[in-house]
Amino acid sequence: DGGITQSPKYLFRKEGQNVTLSCEQNLNHDAMYWYRQDPGQGLRLIYYSQIVNDFQKGDIAEGYSVSREKKESFPLTVTSAQKNPTAFYLCASSMEGARNQPQHFGDGTRLSIL
Amino acid sequence: QQPVQSPQAVILREGEDAVINCSSSKALYSVHWYRQKHGEAPVFLMILLKGGEQKGHEKISASFNEKKQQSSLYLTASQLSYSGTYFCGQVNFGNEKLTFGTGTRLTIIP
Repeated sequence: DGGITQSPKYLFRKEGQNVTLSCEQNLNHDAMYWYRQDPGQGLRLIYYSQIVNDFQKGDIAEGYSVSREKKESFPLTVTSAQKNPTAFYLCASSMEGARNQPQHFGDGTRLSIL
Repeated sequence: QQPVQSPQAVILREGEDAVINCSSSKALYSVHWYRQKHGEAPVFLMILLKGGEQKGHEKISASFNEKKQQSSLYLTASQLSYSGTYFCGQVNFGNEKLTFGTGTRLTIIP
């Protein structure tokens, strides 16, 4: 079955540590996105990529980094510069850009600080 | 800028109707609607495009007033499975970013 796979489901970060969240899709979608969701809040865009080897900052990119070396993969690194990383992280993809295409979401990764 | 949703929360009895509204202060290219159940990923419901085109599930009804930059989602004859948090998202002209509202929590009781 086609879909988006995020791993791990739960992740714990120590102070000063960088951690990487994985996102893989087999939907052959061009565009991929990373969102952050805090309890009781909406989704905020961190980074997005419309094609391989290209990505743009979203609304809250500080303290995060991404890469898009393969069409299927869009990993997110939460760096030590992100002082409040505890949140639910969601990866999504769409056939083309966000304007007129539905986004398909993975099941998310919950990140907590140790 | 984040779209504003209203109401923030609503409780319905099974079979009742509800309307969820989404407003923006900027000219919109499209409005998107998603539903998220607790602890799960959001699920796509509908896209409304400038010009009147719609994409989405047949059982979902929505409107998009381009002049007012407003969209409404209509839930009729609600079922228990409709419970969850509904998010609208907007795409402005000139970019490919989907900006979500803060959500409307819908609770359906038997």
